[in-house]
Amino acid sequence: QVQLVESGGGVVQPGRSLTLSCAASGFTFSNFPIHWVRQAPGKGLEWVALISYDGTNKYYADSVKGRFTISRDNSRKTLYLQMNSLRVEDTAVYFCARGAVAGLYFDYWGQGTLVTVSS
Amino acid sequence: DIQMTQSPSSLSASVGDRVTITCRASQDISDYLAWYQQKPGRVPKLLIFAASTLQSGVPSRFSGSGSGTDFTLTISSLQPEDVASYYCQNYNRAPMTFGQGTKVEIK
Repeated sequence: QVQLVESGGGVVQPGRSLTLSCAASGFTFSNFPIHWVRQAPGKGLEWVALISYDGTNKYYADSVKGRFTISRDNSRKTLYLQMNSLRVEDTAVYFCARGAVAGLYFDYWGQGTLVTVSS
Repeated sequence: DIQMTQSPSSLSASVGDRVTITCRASQDISDYLAWYQQKPGRVPKLLIFAASTLQSGVPSRFSGSGSGTDFTLTISSLQPEDVASYYCQNYNRAPMTFGQGTKVEIK
């Protein structure tokens, strides 16, 4: 079955960096676009970033553009999110989500990893 | 960016009631609309894509309709396990945007 497992979350001070990982299994990772979506505590869902199946195309929400970098290693079936210059408002659970073949929606989600930005 | 506005923000209904949630896009998105269910403390789950196509395994009491700017998610007979927040999502193009969510409770 499709599995996405995030890791790398934790508590970090404002202005510092953190890298999240998402390990995939149960499907041909290199065939699918993958997204990061976040959810601040008690709030709604916010799309963060998208990477195409082969890593050549990347898209970002304005709120993270220039600070976050999405990447993937298809040989390791792993997605990454490098987060720099973190802000308090980046505090959220970060989900990786598989992009559907038919469109830019999300058909499978990981369990999420919590990032807390606090001094 | 396309703004997605859901209503109501919360509702309380009885078991067996018909429940309707609406989602309005700030511009025409054709049928590039998905709905997700997020139960308390759980991961979001895809219910519907292409405005009206039920994801495999989703109970048939859920249905979606609409195109252009106005969309609806309907639960034909509310069940206790349907207590959750529901989100619409535009996927016409990046950035993909979500509605603010509708919290559904049992009366």
